[in-house]
This record gives sequence, structure tokens and C-alpha cells, in this order.
Amino acid sequence: NAGVMQNPRHLVRRRGQEARLRCSPMKGHSHVYWYRQLPEEGLKFMVYLQKENIIDESGMPKERFSAEFPKEGPSILRIQQVVRGDSAAYFCASSPWVERDRLQPQHFGDGTRLSIL
Amino acid sequence: AQTVTQSQPEMSVQEAETVTLSCTYDTSESNYYLFWYKQPPSRQMILVIRQEAYKQQNATENRFSVNFQKAAKSFSLKISDSQLGDTAMYFCAFKSNFAGGTSYGKLTFGQGTILTVHP
Repeated sequence: NAGVMQNPRHLVRRRGQEARLRCSPMKGHSHVYWYRQLPEEGLKFMVYLQKENIIDESGMPKERFSAEFPKEGPSILRIQQVVRGDSAAYFCASSPWVERDRLQPQHFGDGTRLSIL
Repeated sequence: AQTVTQSQPEMSVQEAETVTLSCTYDTSESNYYLFWYKQPPSRQMILVIRQEAYKQQNATENRFSVNFQKAAKSFSLKISDSQLGDTAMYFCAFKSNFAGGTSYGKLTFGQGTILTVHP
């Protein structure tokens, strides 16, 4: 059973470009979470999605950032017009339907390291 | 909103010794989950141990155990017989179990403690 798959592992962009980060959850998982880890810091929650639905986006910056989890395909975190401060590791996690087992921990992908030149 | 605090930025221990990492949290809820995750230099996030707040018994996973003090809102991690492979950043995390709350589902992490195991 494959784990959470994130790609690319490393992404380099120049200021002003767009960054697209992809996350395929574990098989059978319908909930996806995105977290950002700035250098030397802990993970900060960004957004929580189910298929075709954003549940909680309270951690998303108001501008330039968006996320989706379509009916088919991976979840996408999109950053438009990137700036140097967007350089960070972006982690995706997934979990099964929460109601079934609320203790079920989130399983993390290996992250995407975004570097802005 | 919940907060999680890890007051030890760095810790070190000799191989085979025991070390305890501290974590405190703040919440008004009574039903929640607590986790310890490990992040080695490879930067993967690996679940170490988990605790349900309504269970008084402390969780144990092989060499890893917790001391959960609900009244004090404390959740420390004890690593026994430390091994070189335990060298990593350790994060404490909180997850609400209150479906009507704004924090439901997401993990709130502490700042992390860098643990170094010396040979």
C-alpha cells in the first residue's frame, strides 16, 4: 500500500513564477492536509480538504495561495507570483474518513522543498 | 485556539541512556489527541506515539513512552535505551476531537526539539 506521494521533491522557481505542488493521498484516504515548514521551525497548518471541498483554509495566506482536491487526481497546492519568503518545505498528509476512526493519525508525504531564486 | 509549546530547542543524550522531551499545550477542550512525530535529517515525518486524552493510561511503543498529565496539560516523551538512529527533530502535536470546533481535523505542532544521540 503506497504511502502519501508528493511531487516534485524539489522545486526551484524564480520570483514571480507559479509553483504547483502535487499530493496523492494514501489509498482509501479521503482527507488531505497541507502544512508548511519554514527553516528551523515547526509545521504550520495551511488547509484541509476533502474531495471537491475545502473544509478549513484558515492557515492559507489570503493572496497568491490556493488549493484543490478534485474528484479525480491529486490534490494541488498552487502558489502564484512566488516571492523569496515562500521558500519552505511543504508537506501533505492524508487520513481516512475521520468519523470512522478519529484517532487515526495523519500520514505524511516526504514533502516538497520549494526554493525561490 | 490551541497552542503547543516545546521549551527545549535542543537536547543531547549518550547512546543507551534515557532522555525525556517536554511538551505542554493549551486548550479548553476535554476530548483530543496528542502525538509525537519524529523528523530525521531526511525530513520525513514519522509517527512515534499517540495518546487519547480520555485514556488515563500512558501510551507505550517499545522504547518510547509518554507521561500524560491531563490536568497539567503536559505530554512528555521518554526515550529509553537511546540509539544513534533516534537523532532527529521531535515534534509534539495536538488534534481536536470536537467536530464543531474550528480546529477539528488539523494538527497543531510545537516548535520542535532537536535530539542528538552521541556514541
